[in-house]
Amino acid sequence: EAGVTQFPSHSVIEKGQTVTLRCDPISGHDNLYWYRRVMGKEIKFLLHFVKESKQDESGMPNNRFLAERTGGTYSTLKVQPAELEDSGVYFCASSLAGMNTEAFFGQGTRLTVV
Amino acid sequence: KNEVEQSPQNLTAQEGEFITINCSYSVGISALHWLQQHPGGGIVSLFMLSSGKKKHGRLIATINIQEKHSSLHITASHPRDSAVYICAVRGSNYQLIWGAGTKLIIKP
Repeated sequence: EAGVTQFPSHSVIEKGQTVTLRCDPISGHDNLYWYRRVMGKEIKFLLHFVKESKQDESGMPNNRFLAERTGGTYSTLKVQPAELEDSGVYFCASSLAGMNTEAFFGQGTRLTVV
Repeated sequence: KNEVEQSPQNLTAQEGEFITINCSYSVGISALHWLQQHPGGGIVSLFMLSSGKKKHGRLIATINIQEKHSSLHITASHPRDSAVYICAVRGSNYQLIWGAGTKLIIKP
């Protein structure tokens, strides 16, 4: 069975451009999470979907970030317009329904804004 | 002060040594996770604990809820164990609060 997959693996964009990251969770996983690590800091929570609904988006840094999960399958995270401080690694994870179910992580998308 | 603190930040050891990585947290939790991140970046979940001890192969994870402390042990360490080991806790919501990670290097 495929694990959590993220696209692209790397993205280099100029400041002011738009980038869309995609996460395909494991089939049947209701929970989908986005996290990110910016340079030199701990990984931080961004948001959590249960199926297609945003359960918690308290970690989203500002309104330049928009996440969607149409149909409750894959999710996209759009950054528009990108700023230099958005550079980092964006991780997606998915898990079965419930709070303390094992989370499976994608390989991450390394975003570099120049 | 971070809510999840790991020690040491960096650890270099010889192959075969017994490794201990510590994690202390300051919040109430429903579960604690140990994760591994290899160069290359992908994160793999090693353990999810809410009490006691778990063992998987050469890896052992323990947690003391009263002391708000967990340890990850690696027995008979091997160079392929070289990675960043991260402790993360889940509180009363679904968010994971992450430690800074411990970079482990095992030399042959």
